[in-house]
Amino acid sequence: DAGVTQSPTHLIKTRGQHVTLRCSPISGHKSVSWYQQVLGQGPQFIFQYYEKEERGRGNFPDRFSARQFPNYSSELNVNALLLGDSALYLCASSRRDGINSPLHFGNGTRLTVT
Amino acid sequence: SQELEQSPQSLIVQEGKNLTINCTSSKTLYGLYWYKQKYGEGLIFLMMLQKGGEEKSHEKITAKLDEKKQQSSLHITASQPSHAGIYLCGAGPQYNNNDMRFGAGTRLTVKP
Repeated sequence: DAGVTQSPTHLIKTRGQHVTLRCSPISGHKSVSWYQQVLGQGPQFIFQYYEKEERGRGNFPDRFSARQFPNYSSELNVNALLLGDSALYLCASSRRDGINSPLHFGNGTRLTVT
Repeated sequence: SQELEQSPQSLIVQEGKNLTINCTSSKTLYGLYWYKQKYGEGLIFLMMLQKGGEEKSHEKITAKLDEKKQQSSLHITASQPSHAGIYLCGAGPQYNNNDMRFGAGTRLTVKP
């Protein structure tokens, strides 16, 4: 079975632009979460979606938004990009909502804002 | 939210040596997850620990959870170059592990 797939793998944008990152979960997984990882730090939680509904939101500004589609894939959108948005964006899926379902991560999208 | 501290921050060991990485939480642990990350790549799930005193092993990696001390340890026996990478512990709130908080990671280098 394919793992979590993310696209694109790398992206370079200019300050003020917007970006859309895409994620396909493992087949059968209904929950998708997004994380931001800055170099030298652990991933920071941005959003979680389960059955197309937002279930959680981390401490990120409204410039960050996301959605989940009927096929459980997901998009993360970031508007008005800032230099500080440069990071590795990770998508994770799990079979269900709850503490007994480990997160499985994709390889991420490396976003560079210049 | 959880605050997880990992120690050491980095570790260099000779191939064949044993090593231990620790993860301490400032809040009650309801479940503890260990992941491995190669530079610039995604996180690979290693193990999930849920009960106090629980111990799990996978190949040469063993993880334990001490609920009372709110700590977990990851032990690698007879390290190999393939063990090199960044090890991260993660923990979620009581009912949902998707809002998972991570430690800053321990960078392991194994010298052949």
